Parts: sequence; structure tokens; C-alpha cells
Amino acid sequence: NSKVIQTPRYLVKGQGQKAKMRCIPEKGHPVVFWYQQNKNNEFKFLINFQNQEVLQQIDMTEKRFSAECPSNSPCSLEIQSSEAGDSALYLCASSPTQNNNQAPLFGEGTRLSVL
Amino acid sequence: GDSVTQTEGLVTLTKGLPVMLNCTYQTTYSPFLFWYVQHLNEAPKLLLKSSTDNKRTEHQGFYATLHKSSSSFHLQKSSVQLSDSALYFCALTHMSNYNVLYFGSGTKLTVEP
Repeated sequence: NSKVIQTPRYLVKGQGQKAKMRCIPEKGHPVVFWYQQNKNNEFKFLINFQNQEVLQQIDMTEKRFSAECPSNSPCSLEIQSSEAGDSALYLCASSPTQNNNQAPLFGEGTRLSVL
Repeated sequence: GDSVTQTEGLVTLTKGLPVMLNCTYQTTYSPFLFWYVQHLNEAPKLLLKSSTDNKRTEHQGFYATLHKSSSSFHLQKSSVQLSDSALYFCALTHMSNYNVLYFGSGTKLTVEP
């Protein structure tokens, strides 16, 4: 079964702590996305990569998050200083190309709780 | 800007009945539409993707037709099953945004015996 692997499944942090999550994209998928899904199930796009290069990111990600997709290593998303409002499901997705008829494949997510 | 609207937040149906979940979108670009289904504590999974204008696309008993004239991509099924209970998201992308998806707010479908 093709899969995007995300670790850990659950992450609990205190306010101000760093929170890091990882993603192994589907084999052969050089395009990787991170989304945040809040408790109301709303999706927010955070950042995407093609290989190691950032394609797009939102302002919040640029200021408070650190993300990378090094070659031969899992991609990662790290919140530098966690806030209560960061509590959410963080979903990684990957795609074989930037072509729009290739639907991204999602992982099961990392559920972050910030106490 | 780009956006997707799903008007029903919650839909509850009896097994065997038909369902239609609404999805309309707004964009100035040529759109690609998807339906994703998310079961509890699972990854969102692709259910359907749009084809050409006015062409129906089908998968696992679900079907949808992209209508550019009305900016819609409604999801339908003729007979729902208990296992169809899940969250359904309509998502939009286009050529100018690196395949980033704009999601609707989702519809929670509950199928009762």
C-alpha cells in the first residue's frame, strides 16, 4: 500500500516549547505539502516543497515555523515556540508532480496538543 | 480570491437513500476539483477528481460532474451505506499555485441503519 508516513502520531507540548514532526513522502513524490487541520476540521496550507526547495509558504509559517525536506531524510515541520492556538492535526501530503490533475496523497497526521 | 463552499455541515441519512453533497467554487483560473473522504483518525483519501467540463467522473459508487457554467462539483451517490459515514471535503486547485489545495469546510455524513 502506497503511503505517506508521519511521526509521531501524537505530540504534547507546553507553551513556548518546540514541537517537531516528520514526514516520509510516498516514493517517487518530490512535491511535499504541509497542512494544518483545526478542531473545526478546517484546512490551512502551511508550506510546500519540490525536492529541497520551498515553493510557497504562508506568512505564519515563515515567522514561526521551520520546515525542510533534505535529500535522503524525512521532511520535517517544527514550531519554534508552541502556542495554544497551534493545537491541531498537522497533515503531510505528497504528489508526483506539480500538475493539478495529480491529487496529493495524505498521511494520517500528527496531532499536536499544546497545554 | 480562490475559495470553495460546502453548504451542508451535517447530513444524516438512512441507509439505502441517495445523497448529494454540494460544492461550489470561485477562481479566475481553470479549475481542478477533488473530493476527499476522511474517516475518524484516518488520512484524507481521494474519492474523485474532476475531468473535463460537463463530464461525469465515478469511483466506488460516488459520482460528480464539473460544471464550469455554475462553478459546481457536487458529490452524489444513489444508495448510501453505513460505511460511508465520514467527513467529505471538496478541494480546488489550479495551474498557478503549485497544486496547493483550497479546501471547503467539509460535510459530515452520518448514515443510520
